[in-house]
Amino acid sequence: DIQMTQSPASLSASLGETVTIECRASEDIYNGLAWYQQKPGKSPQLLIYNANSLHTGVPSRFSGSGSGTQYSLKINSLQSEDVASYFCQQYYDYPWTFGGGTKLELK
Amino acid sequence: EVQLQESGPGLVKPSQSLSLTCSVTGYSITSNYWGWIRKFPGNKMEWMGYISYSGSTSYNPSLKSRISITRDTSKNQFFLQLNSVTTEDTATYYCARAYGSYGDWFAYWGQGTLVTVSS
Repeated sequence: DIQMTQSPASLSASLGETVTIECRASEDIYNGLAWYQQKPGKSPQLLIYNANSLHTGVPSRFSGSGSGTQYSLKINSLQSEDVASYFCQQYYDYPWTFGGGTKLELK
Repeated sequence: EVQLQESGPGLVKPSQSLSLTCSVTGYSITSNYWGWIRKFPGNKMEWMGYISYSGSTSYNPSLKSRISITRDTSKNQFFLQLNSVTTEDTATYYCARAYGSYGDWFAYWGQGTLVTVSS
């Protein structure tokens, strides 16, 4: 299975700050990567697919980038509603696998 | 707008079978891919498998001997059965609609249902 290592595990940031979350795959996943946001008590919401394509309705302050084994999710101008957990998922090879998650809090 | 809703027992005894239903409204399950994902206490996520628009299935090899995903197109529902459960199967179970060539990413999720395996 492809292992997805996500960092950091937790993050504290201020409103208006730019935040970056990283995901490293154990092998090349050729941009087969999605990012999700999950708020407490809610189901996950798709943010990004194909490493850098913004899902419909997702604010443009969210962006994805990367290639090969290294990918990142960037949140520009952090808003209070962005407080959540974020996790990545690879779909280059079965079984699909997820990163361990990043919990984002306000400083 | 597509909506998904999981239902089923919240408590299952060890060695028994876990059975969940995902009821879909707003979109036919004869299109796209429809998957099951679970989130363990401690937040690890696991893709369990999917059933496609044609009824074909794909399962996580770690579960292959215990899992079955089926559907009832007349009711627009799909189902998860996991046999011989242990306490390690305690998790929140989500059904989701998947996009991409092979059910790659999950664009719409149910609200999730917590299943506890305990005697």
